[in-house]
Amino acid sequence: DQQVKQNSPSLSVQEGRISILNCDYTNSMFDYFLWYKKYPAEGPTFLISISSIKDKNEDGRFTVFLNKSAKHLSLHIVPSQPGDSAVYFCAAITDAGKSTFGDGTTLTVKP
Amino acid sequence: DGGITQSPKYLFRKEGQNVTLSCEQNLNHDAMYWYRQDPGQGLRLIYYSQIVNDFQKGDIAEGYSVSREKKESFPLTVTSAQKNPTAFYLCASSRGFAYNSPLHFGNGTRLTVT
Repeated sequence: DQQVKQNSPSLSVQEGRISILNCDYTNSMFDYFLWYKKYPAEGPTFLISISSIKDKNEDGRFTVFLNKSAKHLSLHIVPSQPGDSAVYFCAAITDAGKSTFGDGTTLTVKP
Repeated sequence: DGGITQSPKYLFRKEGQNVTLSCEQNLNHDAMYWYRQDPGQGLRLIYYSQIVNDFQKGDIAEGYSVSREKKESFPLTVTSAQKNPTAFYLCASSRGFAYNSPLHFGNGTRLTVT
């Protein structure tokens, strides 16, 4: 049973518009949520995180929203840039420290 | 420049052979991890180590083995018992095995077994 799901395998947006990437989870014990960005032939890099006690965290163009009652989080990128084109992974961590990853969403930002 | 080095980038082996993937970090991180990624899928945890000389199985440890003799190094051996070894392997580290400690990844090793 997949505990972290990214239901959209791909997303395409126009440069300058908002990109919204979604993630759903089933385990209410998850304490911390992270987004990673991955370019082809490279390892993922940490992008932004949010604690389960918060509902929003912002870092420049990136904002993560957490809706605990719906077990849903989303990553907003505004404005989107061509360099943002990558695979984005949602990950969740329990207090035991293990990360569980979604399958990723490939974002394409068109110039 | 601190980071994680995985070598080699591409590795080819014949079926039935064991192969060892290298992972070295100079971030002074205590925890290290091995993940596997298959096409269209997320990262699945193979093994992790919180401190030197200690490691635990992850979700898909069968057919793999690891060692952690030094803080900087966490090699992964893919044995002949692993039924589907062809995959992209990622090594990662973190400051500690804590719920709020992001992972730092290497650039991966793509293993092809024929």
